[in-house]
Amino acid sequence: GAVVSQHPSRVICKSGTSVKIECRSLDFQATTMFWYRQFPKQSLMLMATSNEGSKATYEQGVEKDKFLINHASLTLSTLTVTSAHPEDSSFYICSARVGGRPQHFGDGTRLSIL
Amino acid sequence: DQQVKQNSPSLSVQEGRISILNCDYTNSMFDYFLWYKKYPAEGPTFLISISSIKDKNEDGRFTVFLNKSAKHLSLHIVPSQPGDSAVYFCAASIAGTASKLTFGTGTRLQVTL
Repeated sequence: GAVVSQHPSRVICKSGTSVKIECRSLDFQATTMFWYRQFPKQSLMLMATSNEGSKATYEQGVEKDKFLINHASLTLSTLTVTSAHPEDSSFYICSARVGGRPQHFGDGTRLSIL
Repeated sequence: DQQVKQNSPSLSVQEGRISILNCDYTNSMFDYFLWYKKYPAEGPTFLISISSIKDKNEDGRFTVFLNKSAKHLSLHIVPSQPGDSAVYFCAASIAGTASKLTFGTGTRLQVTL
C-alpha cells in the first residue's frame, strides 16, 4: 500500500528554536498533503492543506507565519514551527493524497519544547 | 465545536465476538465518512469508507453503517481478533473539499482472549 514517511519521529528542543518536519510520499506522487496536530485526548485537527507549487491553505486560528509549510515537489512537504514555545508541544502528523483516494498518513512527530 | 463525536473513549470485546464502534456528527453537509485504525507510534491507517448515498459498506470483517437521519455511523468488526486492538478514528468530509477531514477523538478497542 501507499507509504508516507515522516521525519523526525521525535524532537526535543529549547524554547525559541525553529523545528522542521518532513513528510514524503514514497511510492506515489501526492497532489495534496495535509498537516494535522493532535493534543492529548483530542482529535486530529487539520492545520493546513498544501498543494504542490502553491501556497498552503491554513485553517482558522492557525498562524501561517508560525507554521511555515513548503510543498516543493509532489513527494515532499515540510512544516517548520518557527520560534517554538512550550505551548507548541504536540503531536504533528502529515498525510498525503492522490486523486480522490483516502489520505495516507505518516507516523507523526512528537514535538516537545522545553 | 466538535462536529464529529465518538462518545466511547474505550471498548473491550472478547475475541470472536462483534465489536461495534459508534460515531455521531452534527454537520449535515458531511457526505463522505471514513474509519481509520491507529496503532501506538504509527500513523492512522485507512480502513473503510462510505458515501452518503449508501447506508452500508462491507469489506471482509468490517462493515460500516450510515444512518443519515440520525447523523450516526457505526463500524462493525466481526469476528473480532486480538490484532484489531487499536484506536479507531471516525472522520468526515464535505464534497468539494473532498479530502478535508474532520476527525472524532477516537475509541480505543481492546480485544481480549
